[in-house]
Amino acid sequence: QLQLQESGPGLVKPSETLSLICNVSGGSISKVSYYWGWVRQSPGKGLEWIGSKHFGGSTYTNPSLKSRVTVSVDASRNRFSLQLTSMTAADTAVYYCARLFDWAGPFYWYFDIWGRGTLVTVSS
Amino acid sequence: QSVLTQPPSVSGAPGHRITIPCSGSSSNFGAGSDVHWYRQLPGMAPKVIIFRTNERPSGVPDRFSASKSETSAFLAITGLQSDDEGDYYCQSYDTSLSAWVFGGGTKLTVL
Repeated sequence: QLQLQESGPGLVKPSETLSLICNVSGGSISKVSYYWGWVRQSPGKGLEWIGSKHFGGSTYTNPSLKSRVTVSVDASRNRFSLQLTSMTAADTAVYYCARLFDWAGPFYWYFDIWGRGTLVTVSS
Repeated sequence: QSVLTQPPSVSGAPGHRITIPCSGSSSNFGAGSDVHWYRQLPGMAPKVIIFRTNERPSGVPDRFSASKSETSAFLAITGLQSDDEGDYYCQSYDTSLSAWVFGGGTKLTVL
């Protein structure tokens, strides 16, 4: 059974860049029908989709975060990553890596597998 | 403020039926986007319980069902059990935002 596991720092300073990795086990990241990405959850804003990328290169990013977000896929290591620049206290949240199931167009896509999440706190 | 609107909480007695509404707009449900539902337990990741409006992953009992109208969606749970407690979220695709969006979540309490 495919599993996702996030790793990265639990504490980031304001203005710094957050780097998170999601390791994929139990299956290949190089599957046609899936995008790999990130969703975060904070008390103030609920669940927020950040961005998702296909192993072939196609990328979707939340326009509200687009200038700050980079999602990368490393098929050779079967993992993907998130970089979020210019971190502020508003970015404090639990960050989940999640697989987005690609079927018949974006209107129908949903997050079918999630990692357990990692809490990231922004503080000096 | 979430693009999809859900009540903060609903409750029901064991064995009863409850519904959780998810109010959208012409830029998501009204544009033809599907709705999906997730359940989240404390300290855990969300888990999909309904996808593509009314399909259930294997392992989700048929006590869970859902429907969608022009600008609203509903999750129904019949034969309520204490194990059904948790936070429930709806999710869709919004064409105005060009983003996959979630409701604010509804906490279900079984009395």
